[in-house]
Amino acid sequence: SQTIHQWPATLVQPVGSPLSLECTVEGTSNPNLYWYRQAAGRGLQLLFYSVGIGQISSEVPQNLSASRPQDRQFILSSKKLLLSDSGFYLCAWDPDRGNTQYFGPGTRLTVL
Amino acid sequence: AQTVTQSQPEMSVQEAETVTLSCTYDTSESDYYLFWYKQPPSRQMILVIRQEAYKQQNATENRFSVNFQKAAKSFSLKISDSQLGDAAMYFCAYRKGWGNEKLTFGTGTRLTIIP
Repeated sequence: SQTIHQWPATLVQPVGSPLSLECTVEGTSNPNLYWYRQAAGRGLQLLFYSVGIGQISSEVPQNLSASRPQDRQFILSSKKLLLSDSGFYLCAWDPDRGNTQYFGPGTRLTVL
Repeated sequence: AQTVTQSQPEMSVQEAETVTLSCTYDTSESDYYLFWYKQPPSRQMILVIRQEAYKQQNATENRFSVNFQKAAKSFSLKISDSQLGDAAMYFCAYRKGWGNEKLTFGTGTRLTIIP
């Protein structure tokens, strides 16, 4: 079956610390992968997407970066977190490279 | 640029009744897709229903159906026989064409179910 995982589920980090959020998918090969962020009380904003290993496109210039070291793994990183990086981060995938994105359970990040 | 507008920040409905959530969008594209996602308190985004712009027939998934008015650029969601588990934020989303295009989301409508 096709599934998507994210971890950790929640994370509290001090300002200036590094960040690594992981997203993995199962059940298909070479999917499109996406990172979205949702600020409190708002809709989702696309941060990065990837169409293949090592291929990353950035939508919004900011303090974050993404990598895709393996076909089914998508990582969101930061070298130094800012307070404004707090939010809910959702990984999504398009398993059939079609027209529908499905979302993982998300990671709630609080930067203090 | 594409925009998606949800003009109802909050809605409420009695259990077992019907409710309609509104969504309008702006695009110059002819090939696109529209979606409704549900976000319960767990915050996971769950696909509710999908509509292809080239299809004239309105999509239906069990108690959920849409009223897609392409000329008016309107895409409303009707929930019939509302249940307590339907309580959530509902987001309308737009995607252009095919492939790796991003989703553009509205700001959401919070739906409350009154027992």
